Amino acid sequence: ELKVEQNPLFLSMQEGKNYTIYCNYSTTSDRLYWYRQDPGKSLESLFVLLSNGAVKQEGRLMASLDTKARLSTLHITAAVHDLSATYFCAVDLFYSGGGADGLTFGKGTHLIIQP
Amino acid sequence: GAGVSQTPSNKVTEKGKYVELRCDPISGHTALYWYRQSLGQGPEFLIYFQGTGAADDSGLPNDRFFAVRPEGSVSTLKIQRTERGDSAVYLCASSDGPPGERNNEQFFGPGTRLTVL
Repeated sequence: ELKVEQNPLFLSMQEGKNYTIYCNYSTTSDRLYWYRQDPGKSLESLFVLLSNGAVKQEGRLMASLDTKARLSTLHITAAVHDLSATYFCAVDLFYSGGGADGLTFGKGTHLIIQP
Repeated sequence: GAGVSQTPSNKVTEKGKYVELRCDPISGHTALYWYRQSLGQGPEFLIYFQGTGAADDSGLPNDRFFAVRPEGSVSTLKIQRTERGDSAVYLCASSDGPPGERNNEQFFGPGTRLTVL
């Protein structure tokens, strides 16, 4: 059974600081997605990582994937209040030949950025 | 273009009642997924459609849950004899390719918040 673990689950940080969210998963996969969710809203796609060593950047957010370590990171640079949200990583097992056809999500990292 | 839409946005029902939740995917997307998100948790996969057929229903918790997509576009998730534990946000997502495609990026709707009293 695929397990996806994120840490930390809760993070409060100040504007201007840097921080990294970690996503570990238990079964081989080379497809990983990051989503953002604002309170009471649906999920917004942030990054699609499709190979070992993939790195994507958008504004103050940068995501990477290490399939050998089964680890993805979401790095926040010089955080601003607007980045406050819950961030989910999700793993796709289908291409690896196993598991359900849907995505398996972590529990999410609830990020609060204080002025 | 329009994104994934879901109706109703909120549904309150009593224990034992039947409910239907509707999803209208992005036009042209052949793949459609249902997920359930409980408070403080990530979404959990329920069922996946490719076209009209349910290609994978391994996430449905029991036989009270059923979903259809008769014309390969709009889908309805049906829950019989609702229980309080069914209370959650039900999310629908669509993708323009099946899981075997290299990029299976899924686009999510706003969800239906179901409350079973």
